[in-house]
Amino acid sequence: GESVGLHLPTLSVQEGDNSIINCAYSNSASDYFIWYKQESGKGPQFIIDIRSNMDKRQGQRVTVLLNKTVKHLSLQIAATQPGDSAVYFCAENAGGTSYGKLTFGQGTILTVHP
Amino acid sequence: GAGVSQSPRYKVTKRGQDVTLRCDPISSHATLYWYQQALGQGPEFLTYFNYEAQPDKSGLPSDRFSAERPEGSISTLTIQRTEQRDSAMYRCASSLAEGQPQHFGDGTRLSIL
Repeated sequence: GESVGLHLPTLSVQEGDNSIINCAYSNSASDYFIWYKQESGKGPQFIIDIRSNMDKRQGQRVTVLLNKTVKHLSLQIAATQPGDSAVYFCAENAGGTSYGKLTFGQGTILTVHP
Repeated sequence: GAGVSQSPRYKVTKRGQDVTLRCDPISSHATLYWYQQALGQGPEFLTYFNYEAQPDKSGLPSDRFSAERPEGSISTLTIQRTEQRDSAMYRCASSLAEGQPQHFGDGTRLSIL
């Protein structure tokens, strides 16, 4: 499988804890945001998305918060499980002439200890 | 199909050869995307299609790279006269339409010797 660069931010938590993964974005024109989970050897897996007309969206065990004022996005995972261990990427889309293009952040390595 | 399918899973070729990678999107998905992913980094956009149309190919690194989706379903990414710097994971994704969640395949690992 793929290995990840040692320079990626890391978050280490105990099973059952809540996890918060943060992402700063730079393009103030971005109006659509997605969180992906990537396990070793696999492609990015969609977790949750949010559009700029919202500041919070909830899914199963996950919540995404969007703060457009400071251009910050966060992913909260409740009751984190060992199976949540992966690299997490935020991605943004600026719409306009290219609604197809996602720009990915650098990723955060989440490690969940049993 | 149930998910995005890419082939081959691995491709090793000599510098200077041409390679073609294939992507079979989720059926009924109108939009198909190609990304390049280096180790330890997030995917970087190459190009995308709405059915057969290719609205944006701004991410293609050079004119050696081209992509097609002639019937609005399966797509191919071709790299001509490969160079060592082309070595990477190439990922395909598809979505119901533009601006909808993109679902990724497991990629093609390309190694140029």
